[in-house]
Amino acid sequence: QLQLQESGPGLLKPSETLSLTCTVSGGSVSRSTYYWGWVRQPPGKGLEWIGIIYYNGGSTNYNTSLKSRVSMSVDTSNNQFSLTLSSVSAADTAVYFCASVAATGRYFDFWGQGTLVTVSS
Amino acid sequence: SYVLTQPPSVSVAPGQTATITCGGDKIGTISVHWYQQKPGQAPVLVVYGDSDRPSGIPERFSGSNYGNTATLTISRVEAGDEADYYCQVWDTFSGQVFGGGTKLTAL
Repeated sequence: QLQLQESGPGLLKPSETLSLTCTVSGGSVSRSTYYWGWVRQPPGKGLEWIGIIYYNGGSTNYNTSLKSRVSMSVDTSNNQFSLTLSSVSAADTAVYFCASVAATGRYFDFWGQGTLVTVSS
Repeated sequence: SYVLTQPPSVSVAPGQTATITCGGDKIGTISVHWYQQKPGQAPVLVVYGDSDRPSGIPERFSGSNYGNTATLTISRVEAGDEADYYCQVWDTFSGQVFGGGTKLTAL
């Protein structure tokens, strides 16, 4: 089964750009039956969807509340996909999860363990 | 945007049945998925497509979806079922939508 692992800096200053990478093992990011997604969870709060990207990078869908600051990409050579969130503020402090998304049904079936990103001056 | 409404908390005695609801406008016309999240852990898919279970999820977990309410039912609740549960749908206009989550407590 798929295994996913997030990586990236854990501490950012306001106005900086958040960049996270998700490394996939146990399967290829080029699988046409999957999208790849990001979800975040502020401390003590619920899940918030950030966006998804199709395996070929040709199709993306972002949360409208974050759309102006979000970008996602797929790196098939390294079996990874990435998230970029610009102009971060304290409100972006959260645990960020990457996950595989079944193309049929659009449910998140495999998740990374999550990585805490703190935005603080 | 599409909104999913869950009760903040549900309590049930061990061995009894827990029912967690997820309300949304005409939610019965779209597929609903459910996740279990224990403290400090990533969410785990427990039901997809309204009522299907991924491999490894006990039969005690079941789902239904009709009208304006989807339901996750956990039979014979165990202490290990204590967790936050989230419903989720895909909406054409809103994208992926999560409910606010329900904390299940086994009294």
